Amino acid sequence: AQSVAQPEDQVNVAEGNPLTVKCTYSVSGNPYLFWYVQYPNRGLQFLLKYITGDNLVKGSYGFEAEFNKSQTSFHLKKPSALVSDSALYFCAVRDMNTGRRALTFGSGTRLQVQP
Amino acid sequence: DTAVSQTPKYLVTQMGNDKSIKCEQNLGHDTMYWYKQDSKKFLKIMFSYNNKELIINETVPNRFSPKSPDKAHLNLHINSLELGDSAVYFCASSQDTGGYTFGSGTRLTVV
Repeated sequence: AQSVAQPEDQVNVAEGNPLTVKCTYSVSGNPYLFWYVQYPNRGLQFLLKYITGDNLVKGSYGFEAEFNKSQTSFHLKKPSALVSDSALYFCAVRDMNTGRRALTFGSGTRLQVQP
Repeated sequence: DTAVSQTPKYLVTQMGNDKSIKCEQNLGHDTMYWYKQDSKKFLKIMFSYNNKELIINETVPNRFSPKSPDKAHLNLHINSLELGDSAVYFCASSQDTGGYTFGSGTRLTVV
């Protein structure tokens, strides 16, 4: 079974500082990994994905994520946080070695960027 | 051009009623999904359809019945609504190893 863990319910960071939102995953085969962001009363917006290739993936709004196979992690990062980055962030995984196409989501991490 | 559209956006209804949520995608994707987001923001897969065929049916009460008239549509019908059904329901679609696109959600409130 595939699963995702986001160990932090909330991350607080000052504007201009770097941010990291953590994600670890568990799959039996090769992972297909995603980050989504959700603003209040809005849908899920795609940030970035990893399926193969370079372990550092660059996405929307200046976000990037680093795939680490040995640590089964896919942490989301941004060099300089903005107040407008404050939102709920979800990590998700799909096991590419099964026929199951549906994504499994983590519990979400609320990012709060203080001015 | 909305890629995945859901209607209605908000739905308030009384316990015991039957309601439907509609979803349409214009991306040409072959797989569509329904997810439920509860009050704690957990997102859980309910159903998945691939080319109109039911692929995933998670542990969801029989009161929930998905219907896919064609590849571009996946509707969700809910019978005998209960208070615990109150949530935000998201439709999504995907194709092979492409991305997953989500609708803006339907906030269902059962009173």
